[in-house]
Amino acid sequence: NAGVMQNPRHLVRRRGQEARLRCSPMKGHSHVYWYRQLPEEGLKFMVYLQKENIIDESGMPKERFSAEFPKEGPSILRIQQVVRGDSAAYFCASSPNPGTEETQYFGPGTRLLVL
Amino acid sequence: AQTVTQSQPEMSVQEAETVTLSCTYDTSESDYYLFWYKQPPSRQMILVIRQEAYKQQNATENRFSVNFQKAAKSFSLKISDSQLGDAAMYFCALGTGGGADGLTFGKGTHLIIQP
Repeated sequence: NAGVMQNPRHLVRRRGQEARLRCSPMKGHSHVYWYRQLPEEGLKFMVYLQKENIIDESGMPKERFSAEFPKEGPSILRIQQVVRGDSAAYFCASSPNPGTEETQYFGPGTRLLVL
Repeated sequence: AQTVTQSQPEMSVQEAETVTLSCTYDTSESDYYLFWYKQPPSRQMILVIRQEAYKQQNATENRFSVNFQKAAKSFSLKISDSQLGDAAMYFCALGTGGGADGLTFGKGTHLIIQP
């Protein structure tokens, strides 16, 4: 009965490096959502994926950010050439099947710090 | 565009007392869901309670209940018999698209429990 898993929990990068955040959804869940939380703010939706498909990336910055959810393995949120403004907590959530179970279950988050 | 507003940045309550956290929202969708999530210092997002908009009956989970006023687009959370472990940030969230959309979050209310 493992919940949503995210790793690493903490990630430190220097400006210009790449950050890779991983998310494994709950067992039986095939839908993954990524959110970003800036300090003192609520969570902001970034992207919604199903296996091998990006369904909605309306909240994703147009440059440097990408996400995937391959047929096998975890979902990956990739940030290229990180800048200090990318420092935030990144949360992944999963749901079993939107339309029948709408609740999103969250992972513990990855805290990204860009030096 | 959907919005969620939490007008109380911080609330304080004595242990064992009752506290109500406010949330208002705006959406043009007729089918939607509302959630309260708790974020303790560990930063994990924990689902507290959920409400389907089509249900008139207010949701209840043990000491947590909501007052859902659909016409006023209001969704407040009542915590009875407050406990020290209830201290956390509380976020109100709105979901549409049958769960296929990302959630829209408010900015949160910091709840302090006075012993």
